[in-house]
Amino acid sequence: GEDVEQSLFLSVREGDSSVINCTYTDSSSTYLYWYKQEPGAGLQLLTYIFSNMDMKQDQRLTVLLNKKDKHLSLRIADTQTGDSAIYFCAESFGGYNKLIFGAGTRLAVHP
Amino acid sequence: EAGVVQSPRYKIIEKKQPVAFWCNPISGHNTLYWYLQNLGQGPELLIRYENEEAVDDSQLPKDRFSAERLKGVDSTLKIQPAELGDSAVYLCASSPTGEGYEQYFGPGTRLTVT
Repeated sequence: GEDVEQSLFLSVREGDSSVINCTYTDSSSTYLYWYKQEPGAGLQLLTYIFSNMDMKQDQRLTVLLNKKDKHLSLRIADTQTGDSAIYFCAESFGGYNKLIFGAGTRLAVHP
Repeated sequence: EAGVVQSPRYKIIEKKQPVAFWCNPISGHNTLYWYLQNLGQGPELLIRYENEEAVDDSQLPKDRFSAERLKGVDSTLKIQPAELGDSAVYLCASSPTGEGYEQYFGPGTRLTVT
């Protein structure tokens, strides 16, 4: 069955880069997503990548996709305290917009 | 543009009581989703609507959960009767119809069953 796995916690110093990793199982996934959730809030779409791409960059965010290893990463450059949140990786499943989410990675940014 | 609106934001009920959650999607979004998010987990899809039709309700526990989307706009998710294990955040999301479109999430309703 489909499954998405993420490490649970990441701590970085303000100004450093953060790299959040994710592995997924469905090789037929057409889109892979990164969402951000702040306390008490819903999920905010950060970025997504189509499965035929290797990389996508959007300002401070860089997404890398290794389709062979089913590995997705999100790099946040110059991490700020406002980036502290839970980051969810998700894959589309079944050829339509059914999203399978990981358990989330809690990013803590310290001075 | 207004985002996805959900109400109430918080709800505390005793077990065996009924509860209902309301969602107003982004204007023009034909697809509406209800997700369940347990503490420390990612959201899990309960039901997906295309307009007023429930096209994927395979994960909805139909013995106690029901949903409707009259007129293909607002939606209501109901639990009757609620159980302790139903304590969670219920998220509503919407998107334009079609594959690959972003899903926009509401702030969720945090349900506590005592």
